[in-house]
Amino acid sequence: KQEVTQIPAALSVPEGENLVLNCSFTDSAIYNLQWFRQDPGKGLTSLLLIQSSQREQTSGRLNASLDKSSGRSTLYIAASQPGDSATYLCAVPSGYALNFGKGTSLLVTP
Amino acid sequence: DGGITQSPKYLFRKEGQNVTLSCEQNLNHDAMYWYRQDPGQGLRLIYYSQIVNDFQKGDIAEGYSVSREKKESFPLTVTSAQKNPTAFYLCASSIGQGLYSNQPQHFGDGTRLSIL
Repeated sequence: KQEVTQIPAALSVPEGENLVLNCSFTDSAIYNLQWFRQDPGKGLTSLLLIQSSQREQTSGRLNASLDKSSGRSTLYIAASQPGDSATYLCAVPSGYALNFGKGTSLLVTP
Repeated sequence: DGGITQSPKYLFRKEGQNVTLSCEQNLNHDAMYWYRQDPGQGLRLIYYSQIVNDFQKGDIAEGYSVSREKKESFPLTVTSAQKNPTAFYLCASSIGQGLYSNQPQHFGDGTRLSIL
């Protein structure tokens, strides 16, 4: 079964710093990979979806990369802001639903 | 604006009681899903439905039931057989084969269920 792992589980950085969140998966035959953001007590908001044929996707200060052969994806956040504080989850399709990592809890301090 | 509405936001269940969580979407999506989120465990799939009047069990379906009588609605019932129902429940939807057509999955804002 596809397993998705996110490291680190928690991260605290000062405002303005560039940072990288990591996601790894055990089965490289993925169709796509999605990054989500979850604020406390809220649902998930889709940030970026990378198709298997793509190597990266960008949206504003966010850049997600995908390396299927190594089973890894990274989410790069440039010039972090306190408003970026949230939990970030990655997910890949597995069967008829998404298989999620446990997330990285990010705190950006002013 | 199109989206997914879950209600109520908070729900309390007494011993031996069944409770129903509502999920409504106006995105015209064919597929709908229920996930359970526990601290430190990530999201786990309870049930999913690809079309009206059809649904399938996910990884942790025991103690739960669903119906899909309308395209817009996918209610989840937490029965008394579910001995540990305290969790955050998330409803999601996607275009028919959305997961494999490179369309993102959309989520509601969740329902937090607790035992009295």
